[in-house]
Amino acid sequence: QVQLQESGPGLVKPSETLSLTCTVSGVSVSSGSFYWTWIRQPPGKGLEWIGHVYFTGSTDYNPSLKGRVTISLDTSNNQFSLKLSSVTAADTAIYYCARNKGRSGFFDYWGQGTLVTVSS
Amino acid sequence: DIVMTQSPDSLAVSLGERATINCKSSQSVLYRSDNKNYLAWYQQKLGQPPKLLIYWASTRESGVPDRFSGSGSGTHFTLTISSLQAEDVAVYYCQQYYSTPQTFGQGTKLEIK
Repeated sequence: QVQLQESGPGLVKPSETLSLTCTVSGVSVSSGSFYWTWIRQPPGKGLEWIGHVYFTGSTDYNPSLKGRVTISLDTSNNQFSLKLSSVTAADTAIYYCARNKGRSGFFDYWGQGTLVTVSS
Repeated sequence: DIVMTQSPDSLAVSLGERATINCKSSQSVLYRSDNKNYLAWYQQKLGQPPKLLIYWASTRESGVPDRFSGSGSGTHFTLTISSLQAEDVAVYYCQQYYSTPQTFGQGTKLEIK
């Protein structure tokens, strides 16, 4: 059974870097069939695609995040991670990791999400 | 970016009645080479992650009750719940995966009347 689980600090100071990890079980992140994605949702608001990584290490990011995002794979631990730099209060959100089938794909498995608050 | 617009923003339907949610994309999400609409629907219950209901605009995900159906093509799509159950109370989102960045509609909140 495929499962994804986010982990990382729940509180980050403004201007610092948000770092989260998604641990995957039931499927290898090295599978060429899937992309591994981060999506966020500000409290009470809608969903925003952040970006994804492929098993080759190839990435795509949302231009709205203006170069602040890095997503990477750790195949030895079957994980992938998100780094978002220079955070502000606007980055406060529930962060979800998810799996999508193909570079242009729907999201068939999601983690439970983790709330990250940006505050001093 | 492709802008996804849902209507209505909220909807109240009686138990057993039909619920219809609309989604419009700012450009076509029909890929001519495979004749597929790159459009998905998700259900998000309070405190939970979104759950995939429908992909390719009309293909029901495994395990999703058949009262949920998707239709439409090009730029106009519909999610229909044929007979509303209490457990269907949720926010519903459409999503296009035709191009990057993938984008979602703003969500439609479905409640019981």
